[in-house]
Amino acid sequence: NAGVTQTPKFQVLKTGQSMTLQCAQDMNHEYMSWYRQDPGMGLRLIHYSVGAGITDQGEVPNGYNVSRSTTEDFPLRLLSAAPSQTSVYFCASSYGQGVGPLHFGNGTRLTVT
Amino acid sequence: DAKTTQPTSMDCAEGRAANLPCNHSTISGNEYVYWYRQIHSQGPQYIIHGLKNNETNEMASLIITEDRKSSTLILPHATLRDTAVYYCIVRAYNTDKLIFGTGTRLQVFP
Repeated sequence: NAGVTQTPKFQVLKTGQSMTLQCAQDMNHEYMSWYRQDPGMGLRLIHYSVGAGITDQGEVPNGYNVSRSTTEDFPLRLLSAAPSQTSVYFCASSYGQGVGPLHFGNGTRLTVT
Repeated sequence: DAKTTQPTSMDCAEGRAANLPCNHSTISGNEYVYWYRQIHSQGPQYIIHGLKNNETNEMASLIITEDRKSSTLILPHATLRDTAVYYCIVRAYNTDKLIFGTGTRLQVFP
């Protein structure tokens, strides 16, 4: 049972480049979300989805896009990377909004130069 | 969302119980107390949660005061692998928006 899988584990981008962070879960969870974690800070919610075809903004959505075409996948897109987006990104899932604990992936470390 | 207050760091000898306190004095009636931990830079790992009764699972015990304004996570026999940052979070039953804060850095020493 793989749980929540994030790829890539590490990524370096130049300012202005775009990329997609991948997240997949094999637990048939309806709820998926993206967090970023900066040094000395807790996790901040970027975007979340309560099911396929439904997405919504979290605390810090600017500069990021998401889509949810399947239950399993929830990619996070950076359209034009900025140094302020240097962070560790975590994807998480659960059975449903507010139902049960969140299961986290092991993160993607992104550096924007 | 209610805020939580935790000590910045704690030490514990291997094999002893680790008691991690959390203050959540503004918690509301429909908010659960959740505990997660983060080892090195891995993704946070769920430990335990509760509403008002004490809870126990294979990892830890959670003691919530009667007024629900504070709680304590207990790791009964701490090991070196329990060295991590522990986050106490309050969360309403119908939301997954987690406000993590900065947590308690627990160092277990031999």
